[in-house]
Amino acid sequence: GAVVSQHPSWVICKSGTSVKIECRSLDFQATTMFWYRQFPKQSLMLMATSNEGSKATYEQGVEKDKFLINHASLTLSTLTVTSAHPEDSSFYICSADSRSADTQYFGPGTRLTVL
Amino acid sequence: GENVEQHPSTLSVQEGDSAVIKCTYSDSASNYFPWYKQELGKGPQLIIDIRSNVGEKKDQRIAVTLNKTAKHFSLHITETQPEDSAVYFCALLYSSASKIIFGSGTRLSIRP
Repeated sequence: GAVVSQHPSWVICKSGTSVKIECRSLDFQATTMFWYRQFPKQSLMLMATSNEGSKATYEQGVEKDKFLINHASLTLSTLTVTSAHPEDSSFYICSADSRSADTQYFGPGTRLTVL
Repeated sequence: GENVEQHPSTLSVQEGDSAVIKCTYSDSASNYFPWYKQELGKGPQLIIDIRSNVGEKKDQRIAVTLNKTAKHFSLHITETQPEDSAVYFCALLYSSASKIIFGSGTRLSIRP
């Protein structure tokens, strides 16, 4: 199947700093990518939908000024957590929409820990 | 609105027995129903999916059934093995927004 990568796989940062997470589709082009957040022992919750060349669409309750999303190319979307706080500590997972396969492929996730 | 309910939340079966996980949904326009397996510390892995034009799909020990009239779909794992232990999520494509919505997950444990 298609491959989606995330970088970094884990990151630890101090409270108040910003962290950028990259999501790449390695062998296909993705006009749409999605960002999810998963807290321990919970399900994946969609944060936002990222479309190449346009502004992201955020789910209700997700602060767009805190979670900045950029989808600059058909193979790369980035999520920046600005002014991170301990409550932002979570597992962040992206997915990419493969039109040819008519499905979405998920990345391996990024574990964010804010001290 | 989008909603998918998944049961049970935990499931323990003897190795070699079958496991069944069920999900119900409310969006009658949904037409794509994937199932994901998630191991600890990893992203979800697509294991099987079904579209609304079929009622059943099978891939080796894994099968999925779909009843669009009743709005429920199920995952069946036969001849379970220790490596089947993981958290399983049902999901659906919420048609009006082209986004995948996840169920709450089932933690499957295979007893040796």
